[in-house]
Amino acid sequence: KAGVTQTPRYLIKTRGQQVTLSCSPISGHRSVSWYQQTPGQGLQFLFEYFSETQRNKGNFPGRFSGRQFSNSRSEMNVSTLELGDSALYLCASSTVAGGNEQYFGPGTRLTVT
Amino acid sequence: GENVEQHPSTLSVQEGDSAVIKCTYSDSASNYFPWYKQELGKRPQLIIDIRSNVGEKKDQRIAVTLNKTAKHFSLHITETQPEDSAVYFCAASFTSGTYKYIFGTGTRLKVLA
Repeated sequence: KAGVTQTPRYLIKTRGQQVTLSCSPISGHRSVSWYQQTPGQGLQFLFEYFSETQRNKGNFPGRFSGRQFSNSRSEMNVSTLELGDSALYLCASSTVAGGNEQYFGPGTRLTVT
Repeated sequence: GENVEQHPSTLSVQEGDSAVIKCTYSDSASNYFPWYKQELGKRPQLIIDIRSNVGEKKDQRIAVTLNKTAKHFSLHITETQPEDSAVYFCAASFTSGTYKYIFGTGTRLKVLA
């Protein structure tokens, strides 16, 4: 099976802009979670989608949003970018929502200047 | 709130020695505890996991133990090799209606040849 894929792999944006990241889960996986990884904060949970529904959300401002499509692909959007949003954004997929093995994608490295 | 504490933050061992990383979780409803290994510039990879109905699990040189009463779990790596050098993350899955993972802050393991 193909693994989790994310596009784009690298992105440079300017403060105030918005960005959309994409994640394609492993075939058959219906749960997609998003994480922000920074050197100081580690892996921070953003949100999790299962069958097109957001099941849970982490402690991030409303500028961070997401959605999931009927084919389980997921997108994450960040509006009004801030310098502090520079991070590696990882998505992970699993067969069910929570309590099951998660497999990570390679991440999207976002740099905000 | 939900929290996972991980210690130590850095660990250096001689090749062939054992390494132990410990994590403590806050929510007694947690029932799934994975460990991930992340090499520099790569995605986190699931290396072993344990569920709350099991006290110990082994996979070759890697083992994980769980103490539900004390709410802590540990990763044990025996006969360490230079390729074990990486950052290791523990996580706890909170499935009390929320379906999300909380990660520890990571342990940078260095195996000295």
